Amino acid sequence: QQQVKQSPQSLIVQKGGISIINCAYENTAFDYFPWYQQFPGKGPALLIAIRPDVSEKKEGRFTISFNKSAKQFSLHIMDSQPGDSATYFCAASPFYNQGGKLIFGQGTELSVKP
Amino acid sequence: ETGVTQTPRHLVMGMTNKKSLKCEQHLGHNAMYWYKQSAKKPLELMFVYSLEERVENNSVPSRFSPACPNSSHLFLHLHTLQPEDSALYLCASSRWTSGRAGELFFGEGSRLTVL
Repeated sequence: QQQVKQSPQSLIVQKGGISIINCAYENTAFDYFPWYQQFPGKGPALLIAIRPDVSEKKEGRFTISFNKSAKQFSLHIMDSQPGDSATYFCAASPFYNQGGKLIFGQGTELSVKP
Repeated sequence: ETGVTQTPRHLVMGMTNKKSLKCEQHLGHNAMYWYKQSAKKPLELMFVYSLEERVENNSVPSRFSPACPNSSHLFLHLHTLQPEDSALYLCASSRWTSGRAGELFFGEGSRLTVL
């Protein structure tokens, strides 16, 4: 019940295409869902986050879609660029959460081809 | 000056060695964490410190020993490690407050290889 399942494990997209990464969770206590982006040789960095009071959040080319009833959320990268090539991790936790106890997905390695 | 700095970036050690990983944060945060990152696996939370007190130990073997002398510094002391401990060890920091604890700021990691 503590797991966050992420798919696909790897993704290849052409420049200008849409990248979609999906995550599913079981624990209904989770109400904070961030996405982290990690470039090779770097630590993960917070990209965008959503809470269940909205079904979608957009920041530039990055959009989180959230389906509370299905307990699923996804990251959409519009107009994907080679510079977006990185590993993306979804995560979940209670929002009123002390201790940064994020539960991370397994990660998706995105490669955007020129 | 980066927000969270980890040293060394790379470490190779034998199973009988003793070494330490160091983390320093310059963000004014009051919580610090050690995560283990292995290939094709989710990030694994190892230890959590809030205000220099350890508040979480996720069943980590005793060959890993953390220390947090103040809110800006975090260490991970390593001894008699096993080859399966080879991984990227990530330090992170955050504010220890409701609603913001999920905003972790990670260092670049220490790549550990155990021979």
